[in-house]
Amino acid sequence: QVTLKESGPALVKPTQTLTLTCTFSGFSLSTSGMRASWIRQPPGKALEWLARIDWDDDKFYSTSLKTRLTISKDTSKNQVVLTMTNMDPVDTATYYCALGRRGFDYWGQGTLVTVSS
Amino acid sequence: DIQMTQSPSSLSASVGDRVTITCRASQGIRNDLGWYQQKPGKAPKRLIYAASSLQSGVPSRFSGSGSGTEFTLTISSLQPEDFATYYCLQHNSYLWTFGQGTKVEIK
Repeated sequence: QVTLKESGPALVKPTQTLTLTCTFSGFSLSTSGMRASWIRQPPGKALEWLARIDWDDDKFYSTSLKTRLTISKDTSKNQVVLTMTNMDPVDTATYYCALGRRGFDYWGQGTLVTVSS
Repeated sequence: DIQMTQSPSSLSASVGDRVTITCRASQGIRNDLGWYQQKPGKAPKRLIYAASSLQSGVPSRFSGSGSGTEFTLTISSLQPEDFATYYCLQHNSYLWTFGQGTKVEIK
């Protein structure tokens, strides 16, 4: 059974750096073809793909956010980490991690991050 | 970047209706497209992968079609549990993109 769970602060201040961790079980991100992504969804708005890390450590970022994002993985801990710098109130959203080979087979439950002073 | 234009943004329908949602890609993406259903407060769930393959456990009233730049999700007979928001996702390019979503509401 595959499970994913996001963790991180529920509240961050403007200009701070957000660090989110996705901890998963039931699969290995070192398996050929596996990919893990971060997606976010502001309240009442659409899903937005943010970043992806592949089994071979290739990394890809949303064009609009790439200067602020870093994605990494720790295969031994079964974790994927996303950092987002210079947080702003418009970054308030539920952040999801998801994985699959082509698209998303599995999703975490999401974690709501509010940006406010 | 590949843009995904999804339509309509919302629709009202009755139980038993046939519903069609469309996604258009700004360039050809072969069949590298999935459809996802999201209910309020929940994570999305994939219904269709590879444009037309039904995810295991998903009712057969859901179907997908298309290739290249135009794709369709069809619900053949809308059920009460199908009222939700639906998104397409392209994963053809290095950078993946969602459509803007279609909210299916009760008429």
